[in-house]
Amino acid sequence: DGGITQSPKYLFRKEGQNVTLSCEQNLNHDAMYWYRQDPGQGLRLIYYSQIVNDFQKGDIAEGYSVSREKKESFPLTVTSAQKNPTAFYLCASSIGGVSNQPQHFGDGTRLSIL
Amino acid sequence: KQEVTQIPAALSVPEGENLVLNCSFTDSAIYNLQWFRQDPGKGLTSLLLIQSSQREQTSGRLNASLDKSSGRSTLYIAASQPGDSATYLCAPLGGGGNKLTFGTGTQLKVEL
Repeated sequence: DGGITQSPKYLFRKEGQNVTLSCEQNLNHDAMYWYRQDPGQGLRLIYYSQIVNDFQKGDIAEGYSVSREKKESFPLTVTSAQKNPTAFYLCASSIGGVSNQPQHFGDGTRLSIL
Repeated sequence: KQEVTQIPAALSVPEGENLVLNCSFTDSAIYNLQWFRQDPGKGLTSLLLIQSSQREQTSGRLNASLDKSSGRSTLYIAASQPGDSATYLCAPLGGGGNKLTFGTGTQLKVEL
């Protein structure tokens, strides 16, 4: 089935550690996104990529990094500079370049601090 | 900066009722607006997408309307069922980069 796969489902980070969240899609979408969801708040955009080898900061990019070396993959690294990383992280993709196509989401990764 | 408000924040109804969920946004310069459903601990499922040139969109028991000039969208759920229990999120799309701005959602519970 076509879709977006996020792994792992749960992730724990120690103080000072970098962790990487995986996002893979087989929808042949050009655009991919990372969002953060905190209780009582709407989803907030961290980074997005419209095409391979290109990405832009979203609204809350500090303490995060991404890469887009392959069309189907958009991993997110939560660095030690992110002081409040505990949240639910959602990856999405869309055909991109057109505004009449929806964004599709994965099932998320829940990150907690040990 | 786009701001999105959803009212009510939570709603509990008996099965069979017709429901209205409201979404308002501050910047009317949008390309489209999406309604999503989120089950606890899960990702988002896209329900409906309304283009800025459209007034409404229907899928089964769901109907979404859009009044771009007044910055409002409404999601109607007909004949609600317990399986409709979830959080419903609206998100207008605007600005560069195909960016969605999300509201905090309406948490719906449909009881038997």
